[in-house]
Amino acid sequence: KAGVTQTPRYLIKTRGQQVTLSCSPISGHRSVSWYQQTPGQGLQFLFEYFSETQRNKGNFPGRFSGRQFSNSRSEMNVSTLELGDSALYLCASSYTGTSGRAGANVLTFGAGSRLTVL
Amino acid sequence: GDSVTQMEGPVTLSEEAFLTINCTYTATGYPSLFWYVQYPGEGLQLLLKATKADDKGSNKGFEATYRKETTSFHLEKGSVQVSDSAVYFCALSDPYNQGGKLIFGQGTELSVKP
Repeated sequence: KAGVTQTPRYLIKTRGQQVTLSCSPISGHRSVSWYQQTPGQGLQFLFEYFSETQRNKGNFPGRFSGRQFSNSRSEMNVSTLELGDSALYLCASSYTGTSGRAGANVLTFGAGSRLTVL
Repeated sequence: GDSVTQMEGPVTLSEEAFLTINCTYTATGYPSLFWYVQYPGEGLQLLLKATKADDKGSNKGFEATYRKETTSFHLEKGSVQVSDSAVYFCALSDPYNQGGKLIFGQGTELSVKP
């Protein structure tokens, strides 16, 4: 089956602009999570959406936002870009069924969107 | 809060050497533990997982055992190959937090020389 698809793979923006990144999860997966990866801070959780609702949120400013559509596809938006927003943004999906041990859901990651802010 | 600490890299080994990457965690309750691998230019791939104490996760010759008493989940492989060169991430998920929030260690870069 198709994996997690992220678009675009690479993009360059200038400070002050905004950017929207897209993520298509594995078919049947209802949870989509977003992570930021930088050399200095490593992998940091941004937020998670499940059934179109934000279920978890990390410690990022309000410039970072997201949404999920009824088909489980998700977008994240960063407004008023700063140089420090340059990073690899990773999307991950999981099924998150109603049974089984919570927290043991396996995430499947996309290849990421690499954002460079000049 | 919950956290994961990995041994610092980069780690450089010769082919067929034994690999250990240390990982310790701090968490309340009984988290699930994971090892993910990231090859150059790619996203993360699940390598193995363990969901309760004394569980051993294994895949592709890699193993890790969930040690509650030492709060550790060290990754081992008996004989590494050049193709194992990648960045390895230890991670945990809170058992009371459903879904997609993982806490990652800082990653350990492994380079295997022929």
